[in-house]
Amino acid sequence: DVKVTQSSRYLVKRTGEKVFLECVQDMDHENMFWYRQDPGLGLRLIYFSYDVKMKEKGDIPEGYSVSREKKERFSLILESASTNQTSMYLCASSQMTGRNEQYFGPGTRLTVT
Amino acid sequence: AQSVTQLGSHVSVSEGALVLLRCNYSSSVPPYLFWYVQYPNQGLQLLLKYTSAATLVKGINGFEAEFKKSETSFHLTKPSAHMSDAAEYFCAVSYYRDDKIIFGKGTRLHILP
Repeated sequence: DVKVTQSSRYLVKRTGEKVFLECVQDMDHENMFWYRQDPGLGLRLIYFSYDVKMKEKGDIPEGYSVSREKKERFSLILESASTNQTSMYLCASSQMTGRNEQYFGPGTRLTVT
Repeated sequence: AQSVTQLGSHVSVSEGALVLLRCNYSSSVPPYLFWYVQYPNQGLQLLLKYTSAATLVKGINGFEAEFKKSETSFHLTKPSAHMSDAAEYFCAVSYYRDDKIIFGKGTRLHILP
């Protein structure tokens, strides 16, 4: 079974802190994704990566950056956390091409106070 | 541009009744279509997917969906609802040359006793 794990289920940070969210997949997938999920807005893509050290902006990249130094690991970084970044963050991975489904981690619920 | 529309952000059905969750897509090329389910405080889990083989697709937990090109629809059904089906359901679309999936805003399914 594909497994996608996220470093924390719940996280509370203060405004202005630098926040790291880690995601690891164990199926050698080329693609990895970070989404945020908010009530009524569904899933919105922040960034995705199609290879090591490669990244592409999604729909809402502002205030976020990413890092992919190894194929299995994809990190989301909030350089200076703000209260409007309080949300559920979901990581996913997939093989290449659109016919392949994405596999999701359990999510990290981040609260910025 | 591709998009997905889910009719109804909340749907309530009685236990034992038919479940019907509606999804319409727009795509200029043949689509790949997915239904995901999300239980509270969990990530998304694939229910079923359509990748241009049979138009009637069977998934897990007794769900199925039918691809209707003429109606640009991919509605999700289950003959008899169970309390454990209470969750949020997401329809999604992709296509061959794109690694990204476009998600609908989700439909929360409530099961009435």
